[in-house]
Order: sequence, then C-alpha cells, then structure tokens
Amino acid sequence: QVQLQESGPRLVRPSGTLSLMCTVTGGSISGHYWSWIRQPPGKGLDWIGYISYSGATKYNPSLTSRFTMSMEGSKKQFSLRVSAVTAADTAVYYCARFKATTGDFDIWGPGTLVTVSS
Amino acid sequence: IVLTQSPDSLAVSLGERATINCKSSETVFYGSNNKNYLAWYQQKPGQPPKLLIYWASTRESGVPDRFSGGGSGTHFTLTINSLQAEDVAVYHCQQYHSDPPTFGQGTKVEIK
Repeated sequence: QVQLQESGPRLVRPSGTLSLMCTVTGGSISGHYWSWIRQPPGKGLDWIGYISYSGATKYNPSLTSRFTMSMEGSKKQFSLRVSAVTAADTAVYYCARFKATTGDFDIWGPGTLVTVSS
Repeated sequence: IVLTQSPDSLAVSLGERATINCKSSETVFYGSNNKNYLAWYQQKPGQPPKLLIYWASTRESGVPDRFSGGGSGTHFTLTINSLQAEDVAVYHCQQYHSDPPTFGQGTKVEIK
C-alpha cells in the first residue's frame, strides 16, 4: 500500500526558502505523477504543480517562478522549494499522487504545516 | 476553470440526506471518452483530503455506497444518503478537464 510522508522545517523566516521532501513507501514512484498541494489555514486547496519520475514538471501558472520541484527517483523522494517566502505562504503542504487517467489525487500525505514568521 | 460549491455549509440530521452542489465555469466533459473529469474529496479536521468519487460518479474503492456523485458538463452533485456521525467533514470538488487542476472552496457538513 503506497504511503506518502512530508518532511521539512515547520518554521521559515520571511524572505527565506521553504524546502519540503516527500517520501514514497510501499510502492513504485515510477509511472506516476506526483503533486504538491497547499491549504492556507481555514481556506481551500491550491494545486502547486506535479512532477513525473523522469523529472518533467508542470506548475500552476497562477504561481510565480518562486516554486521549484525536483525528483530523486532512486531514493523514492521528490521535493518542493519555495523561495522568497512571505506570510502568505503559510499553509499546510501536502504531497499527493496524481492519476492522469482519471484526473484525481488518490493518495495523500498527512500534510505538514509550514509557518512563515520572524 | 473556477469551481463554485453550494452551500458553504449545511446541517443535516442523522439518517437524513445531504446534497452538495459544484458548478464549473466551463464544461469538464470529454466527448472523446464520455467522461466528466470531476472528483469529490472528504476532509476531516486535521486530516488530508480523501478521494471519494472520480469521473463524477465512480466511487473509489472502499468508499461506502451512501456516497454518490452525479451530474455532467458544468453542474455536479455529491449526495450522502443516511448521514452518519463519521461523515462530518468538509467536502471538496476538483476538476481536471484542463490545467491547472482546481478545487471548489469546500462545503462543511455538520449534524443538526
């Protein structure tokens, strides 16, 4: 059974860089697309982007170029970096598996709350 | 594509039916395979969203059959028949007819 787990610092200073890792266990990382989705406190879900095993990426065009995803397939991990963060980047960050055939996110990590504050 | 859910919240008695609406600003129907790329999720407090339904009406494996999805094109519904206490949650719709995938704002379901 595939499981996902986010990891990374919970507190980031304004103007700093937010870095998160998602580890895939219980199944293969190849042959799928892997996404990052965030949810500001008390608000809805925002798709950040997805990355394939080969490293191909697609980002939400409404976001700036501050967001970067990368793949470390041999370690069954993929990551997210957000540069020049502000308080508006405070959110629960989820990694999730995206099923392109049905267009949904079928497996989610538990999420990690990242707070941007001095 | 903008998804608008209604209502924002609703309170339903145990054992009664809850109906949530999701309206899309554009069609999410693909004529090439006759599928609506609309999914529904359940999110309980402190938990990630859980996929309930995809292709507008196909239940994910393990989802109780009291959850059903309907609609086509731009109007969709999620129905919870015989509401149970464990169904208290926020429900989200999501589309993938075109990039980027987008979500509705969520509907909170409570017990009356």
